[in-house]
Formats: sequence, structure tokens, C-alpha cells
Amino acid sequence: GENVEQHPSTLSVQEGDSAVIKCTYSDSASNYFPWYKQELGKGPQLIIDIRSNVGEKKDQRIAVTLNKTAKHFSLHITETQPEDSAVYFCAASGANNLFFGTGTRLTVIP
Amino acid sequence: NAGVTQTPKFQVLKTGQSMTLQCAQDMNHNSMYWYRQDPGMGLRLIYYSASEGTTDKGEVPNGYNVSRLNKREFSLRLESAAPSQTSVYFCASSQRGVNTGELFFGEGSRLTVL
Repeated sequence: GENVEQHPSTLSVQEGDSAVIKCTYSDSASNYFPWYKQELGKGPQLIIDIRSNVGEKKDQRIAVTLNKTAKHFSLHITETQPEDSAVYFCAASGANNLFFGTGTRLTVIP
Repeated sequence: NAGVTQTPKFQVLKTGQSMTLQCAQDMNHNSMYWYRQDPGMGLRLIYYSASEGTTDKGEVPNGYNVSRLNKREFSLRLESAAPSQTSVYFCASSQRGVNTGELFFGEGSRLTVL
């Protein structure tokens, strides 16, 4: 099955700085790559996704890039705010499943 | 709208006991899923139901059974709990398939097996 690796596992940034989280995947057939944000005590919530026919997608302060040749995709958060502190998960699609990375705990220091 | 509702939120079991986790969604979604979340391992799919009346195994189905009671409800049963099943369980739903659209998650059920 698909193997998704996510780095780093923890990330601390100063408020206003940018944060980047990177993921790699193994199955070249994967064509859908969502990112989920999980706040403490809550379920994950979709924040942005990208499909394989697109190289980049942006939504306000959040952007995702995809390199299908290298099989990696990244989440970029600009102008970070304290409310961005959470655990972020990348995922890659399989036939009937989403394969999740192991998560990145982002802490934004005021 | 409540979205996806899971019960119970917390449960402690002894090894060998059985229990059922309940999940209901009010978004008229076709597909429903059960995931488990363990430290350092992300979320792993246990079972899913692509539509009412169908269920299929995910990555880690051993030790679990599911029932898609109707379009709204999808339950997860542990027949004989083991310490390895200590985890946080999430139910999710989606209008389309898991690899084509947004998953909506419940708030989780934390299960401890002693």
C-alpha cells in the first residue's frame, strides 16, 4: 500500500514567520493530496487539498505545492498566528483509502 | 447541524470485554469511515462503508466489526477488547469517496483497554 512520510514531527516558529511541512509518498497512482488540521481534543479538519493535475494551490495564508515526479508535496503557512498552533496531517489517496502521514505539531510563539 | 457525532467520548474496558462505538452523521453523506489514531502513526482506516448496505475492510480491520445501520449511522464493535486496541477512534463521513473529497470527522472516542 501507500507509504506517506511527513517531516518535521514538531515545528516551532515565531508569530509572523512562515512554516513549511513536507510529505513524500510512494504510490505513483495517488492523485489526491489533502491536508488536515487537528486542534486539541477535536477531530481533523480539512484545510486545503490538491489534485495531481495541479502543481500549486493557494488559499489566503495557506498554500500547497505538489511535485509528482519527485513524489512529494508541501504545506506552506505564511504570516503564522497563534491560532495556527495545531497538529497538521498530510494524506495521499489510495484506491479506497486515504493514507495519512504521522503528523506535525506546529507551535506558533507569540 | 451537528455534523458527525460519536458516543461515548471516553471508555475504559478490561481485556476481553466487548463494546460498541456509535456514530451518526446528519449531512446525508453516502460514505462513512472508522479510523484509529495512535501516537506516531497518524490515522489508519479500520473499516468503511461506501454506501448504505455495504461495508469493507481498511488497513487494520482485525479485532473489529462494523454495521451500517442506515444512511446516518455506522457503528464499530470490539468483540473481545485487547490492550493493543487502546486508541482514539474517529468516525468520518463524506459525500463522495474518501479519495475524492472532504472527510468530516467526529470529535473522537478515547478507548483504554486494561
